[in-house]
Amino acid sequence: NAGVMQNPRHLVRRRGQEARLRCSPMKGHSHVYWYRQLPEEGLKFMVYLQKENIIDESGMPKERFSAEFPKEGPSILRIQQVVRGDSAAYFCASSPPGRVGGEQYFGPGTRLTVT
Amino acid sequence: GESVGLHLPTLSVQEGDNSIINCAYSNSASDYFIWYKQESGKGPQFIIDIRSNMDKRQGQRVTVLLNKTVKHLSLQIAATQPGDSAVYFCAENNRNTPLVFGKGTRLSVIA
Repeated sequence: NAGVMQNPRHLVRRRGQEARLRCSPMKGHSHVYWYRQLPEEGLKFMVYLQKENIIDESGMPKERFSAEFPKEGPSILRIQQVVRGDSAAYFCASSPPGRVGGEQYFGPGTRLTVT
Repeated sequence: GESVGLHLPTLSVQEGDNSIINCAYSNSASDYFIWYKQESGKGPQFIIDIRSNMDKRQGQRVTVLLNKTVKHLSLQIAATQPGDSAVYFCAENNRNTPLVFGKGTRLSVIA
């Protein structure tokens, strides 16, 4: 049973470019969460999605960041016009249907470097 | 600010000793708590969880203790091994909120 998959594992973008991060949840999981982690810090919640719906985006910056979880295919975190401050590790987690939060299973992360 | 925090940012222990990692939380409405282990370059890995109707839960070599009176959570690792070296995060939530993570404690095991 494959775990949460994320790609790419490493992404380098120049300032002003777009970054697209993909996450495929565990089989049977319908809840997806995105977190951001700076070096030597904890994970910060960004957004929580179910299929075709954004449930909670309270942790998402108001500009340049967007997320989707379409009916078919992976969840996508999109960062437009990246800046150096966007450099971080971005983790996706998934959980089965049921209560919000609870035990979440994390992917290996995408490390974004903005040059 | 964070609703979950840790008392000790780093912890060094001798191989074979027991480790105790502490965590304080501020949201009295939280009813679910998790400990995660994160090794360098990897995603967080689930270790053990506990619900607020319990005060202790044991796993393999790990025990989580919950003290709701003082809003304190701890992770005990028995007979610490080099493979336990990692950053450990506590996280909490209630029924309607995503997980909130603490800043983490780095555990270093001395062989």
